[in-house]
Amino acid sequence: EDKVVQSPLSLVVHEGDTVTLNCSYEVTNFRSLLWYKQEKKAPTFLFMLTSSGIEKKSGRLSSILDKKELFSILNITATQTGDSAVYLCALWGGQGAQKLVFGQGTRLTINP
Amino acid sequence: GAVVSQHPSWVICKSGTSVKIECRSLDFQATTMFWYRQFPKQSLMLMATSNEGSKATYEQGVEKDKFLINHASLTLSTLTVTSAHPEDSSFYICSATAGGFYNEQFFGPGTRLTVL
Repeated sequence: EDKVVQSPLSLVVHEGDTVTLNCSYEVTNFRSLLWYKQEKKAPTFLFMLTSSGIEKKSGRLSSILDKKELFSILNITATQTGDSAVYLCALWGGQGAQKLVFGQGTRLTINP
Repeated sequence: GAVVSQHPSWVICKSGTSVKIECRSLDFQATTMFWYRQFPKQSLMLMATSNEGSKATYEQGVEKDKFLINHASLTLSTLTVTSAHPEDSSFYICSATAGGFYNEQFFGPGTRLTVL
């Protein structure tokens, strides 16, 4: 069965700290791994990763995928209170019908 | 970027009534739309996948007679929660994709349903 496991489930840090969020997975017919940020409403897209070892970067956020070890990390440097959110990892793939399988999410809280 | 809208953004209804939620792709034609449900402090759970003009594919454990999905056009899908009960109270989110190998999904803003 396709599975996405995120860790930690919850993380509280101080503003300015660097955080690393983890996502490990098992999925048939892997196509891509996606990271989303969810605040009060629906998830907003951050990154899509398809190839191992290629870092995607957007400002203070970066992410990388390891298809051999079946995991991805999302890094946020110099965190700000506005980074407080739930970060979701999702896999696009699956047997037969392709679909997104979401992890449980990591609830990140940045304290001033 | 591609925009997906949902209507209504929130709804409160009495137990036993039916509620319809609309999902529209505003600036692209969506070959496939997905419906998710999210309970408080939990992740998104896929309920069903719908393709325009054909019957929706429901995930295991989701009652197709209770959650009616109609994907009548390439820009509109509706989810009707029939005979809603308090346990159906949740955040319902749709997403749409225009196809392609990586099938990037664009999410709507969600609809918060509260059943009294």
